[in-house]
Amino acid sequence: DIQMTQSPSSLSASVGDRVTITCRASQNINSYLNWYQQKPGKAPKLLIYGASSLQSGVPSRFSGSGYGTDFILTISSLQPEDSANYYCQQSYGSPRTFGQGTKVEIK
Amino acid sequence: QVQLQQWGAGLLRPSETLSLTCGVYGGSFSGYYWSWIRQPPGKGLEWIGEINQSGATNSSPALKSRVSISVDSSRNQFSLRLSSVTAADTAVYYCARYMKPTTPTTGIYYWFFDLWGRGTLVTVSS
Repeated sequence: DIQMTQSPSSLSASVGDRVTITCRASQNINSYLNWYQQKPGKAPKLLIYGASSLQSGVPSRFSGSGYGTDFILTISSLQPEDSANYYCQQSYGSPRTFGQGTKVEIK
Repeated sequence: QVQLQQWGAGLLRPSETLSLTCGVYGGSFSGYYWSWIRQPPGKGLEWIGEINQSGATNSSPALKSRVSISVDSSRNQFSLRLSSVTAADTAVYYCARYMKPTTPTTGIYYWFFDLWGRGTLVTVSS
């Protein structure tokens, strides 16, 4: 199985801050990396696919980068509604695996 | 607008079989992998398995011996059965659509979970 490791596990930032979340794969997954946002009591929502492609309807303050084993999700200017858990997921192979999640809180 | 609606028993006793069904409404059933994902309370996401409209399945090695995923293409529904449940199987279970865009990105088709059901909390308790 491909292991996905996110860091940090949680962070607290102010509105307007630039926030970055890192995801590392246990092997090369090229660009087969997706990012999801999950708010309490809700299903996850796709933000980024293919490491850097923004899903339709997702605000442009979200962006993704990376290739191979190391990936980054960036929120360029944190907004109150961005308080959520964020998960990476590899689509390179089976089983489909997720990172353990990063909780983003607003100061 | 395509929607996933899921249903099934929410309270089970240890050793019973979990059974959930997900219906796909308002869109095509073919060309996708229909998936089950779970999330224990306060924890992360775990992929359980998937099936396509033809019945081809793929499941997590960790659960493979207890998982059965089936499809009823005539009704646009797919189902999950998980046998011999224990308290460790207590989780919110989601159905989801695993898809790739019709247009590739730089020549590559990337798969992702783009549509999710609302989730069903399944509690295993004696």
